[in-house]
Amino acid sequence: GAVVSQHPSRVICKSGTSVKIECRSLDFQATTMFWYRQFPKKSLMLMATSNEGSKATYEQGVEKDKFLINHASLTLSTLTVTSAHPEDSSFYICSARDMGSGASSAQYFGPGTRLLVL
Amino acid sequence: DQQVKQNSPSLSVQEGRISILNCDYTNSMFDYFLWYKKYPAEGPTFLISISSIKDKNEDGRFTVFLNKSAKHLSLHIVPSQPGDSAVYFCAATPNSGYALNFGKGTSLLVTP
Repeated sequence: GAVVSQHPSRVICKSGTSVKIECRSLDFQATTMFWYRQFPKKSLMLMATSNEGSKATYEQGVEKDKFLINHASLTLSTLTVTSAHPEDSSFYICSARDMGSGASSAQYFGPGTRLLVL
Repeated sequence: DQQVKQNSPSLSVQEGRISILNCDYTNSMFDYFLWYKKYPAEGPTFLISISSIKDKNEDGRFTVFLNKSAKHLSLHIVPSQPGDSAVYFCAATPNSGYALNFGKGTSLLVTP
């Protein structure tokens, strides 16, 4: 199946610093990518929809100035957690849908990034 | 509010038997349903999907059944194998190009 990568896989940072997470579709193009967040023992919660060449669409309750999303190309979206705080510690996962796979195709997920803010 | 519900947080099945994971949804606009398997600290892996025009989709040991009138779907794994032990998430969307709404997951344990 289609492959989506994320980098880094895990990051530990100090409170107040910014962290950038990259999401790449390796063998397909994606005009839209999605960013999810998972808290321990909870479901995946959609944070924002990343659209290539335009502004991201954020879900209610997600601060767009804190979670900056840039979808610079058809294969790359980045999520920057600005001025990170301990409560931002979580597992962040991106997904992308293969544009060329037809009307009904699954979204493929990256392996996730574990963020720990000290 | 949780639009996709997996009411069983865990399920234990003996190897070789059938595993049945259930999922209910409330949004009648959902048109496309997916099952994902997830291990700790990894991203979800796509297993199988079904669109609302079908009531059954089969792929190897995995079969998904959709009862649209009841807003219910289920994933059957047969025969179950110890390697199937993981958390299974049900997801739904009004269109395959949209973001997914996830259930809280069911942790499946397949014992030898």
